[in-house]
Amino acid sequence: EAGVAQSPRYKIIEKRQSVAFWCNPISGHATLYWYQQILGQGPKLLIQFQNNGVVDDSQLPKDRFSAERLKGVDSTLKIQPAKLEDSAVYLCASSPGMRGPNTGELFFGEGSRLTVL
Amino acid sequence: EDQVTQSPEALRLQEGESSSLNCSYTVSGLRGLFWYRQDPGKGPEFLFTLYSAGEEKEKERLKATLTKKESFLHITAPKPEDSATYLCAVQARGGSNYKLTFGKGTLLTVNP
Repeated sequence: EAGVAQSPRYKIIEKRQSVAFWCNPISGHATLYWYQQILGQGPKLLIQFQNNGVVDDSQLPKDRFSAERLKGVDSTLKIQPAKLEDSAVYLCASSPGMRGPNTGELFFGEGSRLTVL
Repeated sequence: EDQVTQSPEALRLQEGESSSLNCSYTVSGLRGLFWYRQDPGKGPEFLFTLYSAGEEKEKERLKATLTKKESFLHITAPKPEDSATYLCAVQARGGSNYKLTFGKGTLLTVNP
């Protein structure tokens, strides 16, 4: 079974530029998450989708970050304009759904490392 | 607000030297506590789910336990391949999204 795919793996940009990250979850997984992991920290949830609807975006800096999930499958996370403090690894994760006993068992991609200069 | 504190921040062991990692948490009603392993340059990998105080789960050299305030990840006779960052996360009851709140992790290094 293919895992969660993310691209690009690495991106270096200047502050005030824009960047986009792409995620393809495990086939059939209804729930998709974007997490931000700053060096030395645990992952922090940015946005959670159930199918193509947003469930939680309370920690997403909406003045610069946006995300969408196309047709309930792939997702794109965009940052515009980027700030120095956005330097982090952006992790995409998916899970089969939001109900049942295993809702905390997430499958993560390898992440996209962003460096903002 | 849910909070997770992991200790120590880093732990260095010799191969075969058993030890424990701690995860203390504050949550408004625990639905589940989760342990993940993260290798450098990789995303976290799920290890265990614990739902109630007194519960234990085992996998190879790892055993996770849960009390009402904390969880321990016991590592018995570790090997160098157990070196990784171990993350703890909690999920609260109620709400609509079953969000996970992660701790900062413990970086474990096992020397041969």
